[in-house]
Formats: sequence, structure tokens, C-alpha cells
Amino acid sequence: DQQVKQNSPSLSVQEGRISILNCDYTNSMFDYFLWYKKYPAEGPTFLISISSIKDKNEDGRFTVFLNKSAKHLSLHIVPSQPGDSAVYFCAASAREGSQGNLIFGKGTKLSVKP
Amino acid sequence: DAGITQSPRHKVTETGTPVTLRCHQTENHRYMYWYRQDPGHGLRLIHYSYGVKDTDKGEVSDGYSVSRSKTEDFLLTLESATSSQTSVYFCAISETELEAFFGQGTRLTVV
Repeated sequence: DQQVKQNSPSLSVQEGRISILNCDYTNSMFDYFLWYKKYPAEGPTFLISISSIKDKNEDGRFTVFLNKSAKHLSLHIVPSQPGDSAVYFCAASAREGSQGNLIFGKGTKLSVKP
Repeated sequence: DAGITQSPRHKVTETGTPVTLRCHQTENHRYMYWYRQDPGHGLRLIHYSYGVKDTDKGEVSDGYSVSRSKTEDFLLTLESATSSQTSVYFCAISETELEAFFGQGTRLTVV
């Protein structure tokens, strides 16, 4: 039973346009959410996070939105650049008693075309 | 980049043989994790550690054991490797229960 779902395996966008990556979760105990980016043959790198007490967090071209009632979060990249082409993983944590256990989605492969 | 070193980076082994993967950190972080990444499955937690000699099972722990005798080292052992354990293995570390930092990965092939 997947607790974190990324239903789009891939996404293709044009350079300069907005990329929107989506993530849904089922566990209402999750209270901290993260996005990681992964290039081939490298480990995932932390991108941006959001606590459940917020509905938006912005860092440069990256913004994460959280809709707790819908158990949905999204990552917006504006403007998209070819170097953003990578696999993006959504992850969630229930900080109370979680011992640091992050649950990951299956990932969405983003391709940004010049 | 966080100081995480995984060794070996690549390994080919035969079915039934024992294999140990090593994760070494220089950050003195409390938490250490082992994940595996497979096509169509994303990243799945195998085992994690929240301190020296304190470990617990993750989502896909069957066939794996871990040990953490020092803060800086977290070992993942496949007692008797099977073809289903062919995967890319990532070690990660974190100081809090928040963001984790990942190593470069170990590509293991069991033939």
C-alpha cells in the first residue's frame, strides 16, 4: 500500500515554461514533506521541504505547495531550465516517533526541452 | 556536499554469496539509512539506525542485516545474495528527522 504516490512517471516541458510535479499521500500522520532531485548515476539531492503548518514554501525558482485537506503537494519550477531534467522524488515523514523514516514516492522523470 | 562515502561503488557477485556494503560518514550525524532503488519502485527503506547499535527495520528488510558499531559506519549485509537483490543501494544520513543527505550509490549485480 503506497503511502506516497507520484502518479505521473514522466513529464516533458519546454524551456522557460512552468513545470508542475504532483504528489499525493494517504497517511494523515505525515507532517513534513520533501522533494529530492536525482540525476543518473548520482545520489538524490535535497531540493526543498515544507512543514504541515505551512501551505507554501519558496526557494528561488522552486515552490512547493501543500494542500492538507486534499493530502496533496506539488512542486513548481519556474522558469524550467534544461539542467532541471532529472527524476524528482516526493518524500514524507511523520516526525513524531518516526525515527527519521522518510517514505518516498516512485519518482517523476522531468525532461526540459530547449 | 555531506561527507558520505559508499563502498564499493560497483559489485558483481554470485547467487548465494555473502555481500557487505559500507557507508562511512564524516558529519557525525545521528541517523543513517540504507535504501534501494529499483525501476518502478522509487526509493525503499531497508534498514535504518538512530544511534550506535540502535537499528530498526524498514519496508524491505527481508534478506538484509545491518550493523552500526561506530557513529561513522553503517554496514549492510546480504547474508546470501539472490538475484532479486540486484539493485542500486543508497546510504543516507541525517541529524534530525528532517532532510537526509544521500551517498553516490552502490550498484550491485547478483548473477
